[in-house]
Amino acid sequence: DGGITQSPKYLFRKEGQNVTLSCEQNLNHDAMYWYRQDPGQGLRLIYYSQIVNDFQKGDIAEGYSVSREKKESFPLTVTSAQKNPTAFYLCASNVNKNTEAFFGQGTRLTVV
Amino acid sequence: GNSVTQMEGPVTLSEEAFLTINCTYTATGYPSLFWYVQYPGEGLQLLLKATKADDKGSNKGFEATYRKETTSFHLEKGSVQVSDSAVYFCALTTDSWGKLQFGAGTQVVVTP
Repeated sequence: DGGITQSPKYLFRKEGQNVTLSCEQNLNHDAMYWYRQDPGQGLRLIYYSQIVNDFQKGDIAEGYSVSREKKESFPLTVTSAQKNPTAFYLCASNVNKNTEAFFGQGTRLTVV
Repeated sequence: GNSVTQMEGPVTLSEEAFLTINCTYTATGYPSLFWYVQYPGEGLQLLLKATKADDKGSNKGFEATYRKETTSFHLEKGSVQVSDSAVYFCALTTDSWGKLQFGAGTQVVVTP
């Protein structure tokens, strides 16, 4: 079945550590997105990519980095520069503005 | 810029009650409008969509009509079930690739 797979489901980060969240899709979608979800704030866009080897900053890109070396993969790195990384992270992909965006199951990141 | 405003939750209802969640938006151009649902600990799933003015989206007993004159896309269901307990997000896109702007989400709790 086609879909988006995020891993791991739970992730713990120590202070000063970089961690990478995985996102893989087999839907053949060109566009992929990373969102951050905090309680009561909806989803905020971190980064997005509409084509391989190209990506754009979203509304809250500071402290994060991404790569898009393959169409299927869009990993997100939470760097030590992100001062408040504890959140639920969601990856999504889409075809165009009139179609459904597909979401992964999310990764819950906690700073310990 | 684009923005989505939806009513604050939690909304608590008894089973078989009528549900309305208000959603209004501001957008440049002609947005496509969506309602997504999130069950605890999961990603988002598309509930319904409307891509032009006066379109009505419907799914699983939920309905919403794209009202350009009032810039609204209110979600309704005539008789809710306990299984409808979730967080509901109103969203829009004006981007050709489908980059979404979300409201803050409304938690709905349905009691037996």
